[in-house]
Amino acid sequence: DIQMTQSPSSLSASVGDRVTVTCRASQSISRYLNWYQQKPGKAPKILIYAASSLHSGVPSRFSGGGSGTDFTLTISSLQPEDFATYYCQQSYNTLLTFGGGTKVEIK
Amino acid sequence: QVQLQESGPGLVKPSETLSLTCTVSGGSVSSGSFYWNWIRQPPGKGLEWIGYIYYSGNTNYNPSLKSRVTISEDTSKNQFSLKLSSVTAADTAVYYCASLGRYCTNSVCYDSLDIWGQGTMVTVSS
Repeated sequence: DIQMTQSPSSLSASVGDRVTVTCRASQSISRYLNWYQQKPGKAPKILIYAASSLHSGVPSRFSGGGSGTDFTLTISSLQPEDFATYYCQQSYNTLLTFGGGTKVEIK
Repeated sequence: QVQLQESGPGLVKPSETLSLTCTVSGGSVSSGSFYWNWIRQPPGKGLEWIGYIYYSGNTNYNPSLKSRVTISEDTSKNQFSLKLSSVTAADTAVYYCASLGRYCTNSVCYDSLDIWGQGTMVTVSS
């Protein structure tokens, strides 16, 4: 299995802050990395695929970067609707695995 | 636009079989363009991929669940289903169905879970 490790597991931030979440893979996964946002009681929603490609309809304040084993999700200016849990997920091999999640809370 | 909807019992007894169905609208479950997935999330915890079915009934399962999981499709009803046998309290979770979309650029293709059902809570308890 490819293990995905996210950090931090939670963070507190204010509206307007720049926020970065990190995801590390246990082996190189090239750019086969996706990011999802999940709000309480709701299904996850795709934000970014292929490490840095913004899914249709996702605001441009979200961006992704990285390749190989280290990846980042950045929110350039945190908005009230961005308080949620974020998950990374690799699709490098056919056993799909997720990171443990990063909960972004209001400071 | 493809939409997915899970259905099934919300309560299952220990040692019995959990059975859920995902109804597909706006697309065909028999289409070779989609991989149809099941993912679960225990209360307060992260996401675990269970497996998928694609193109003419081919399947791929998470090895940690493989001995207990069966994913099948019913093309006449445009549905795909999950069966998980010998359940325990550890199988209590919200179960999601989702489609794996493929995006190709410069002859390289990337997959992501781009469409999800709303999820259904299943509790294992006597």
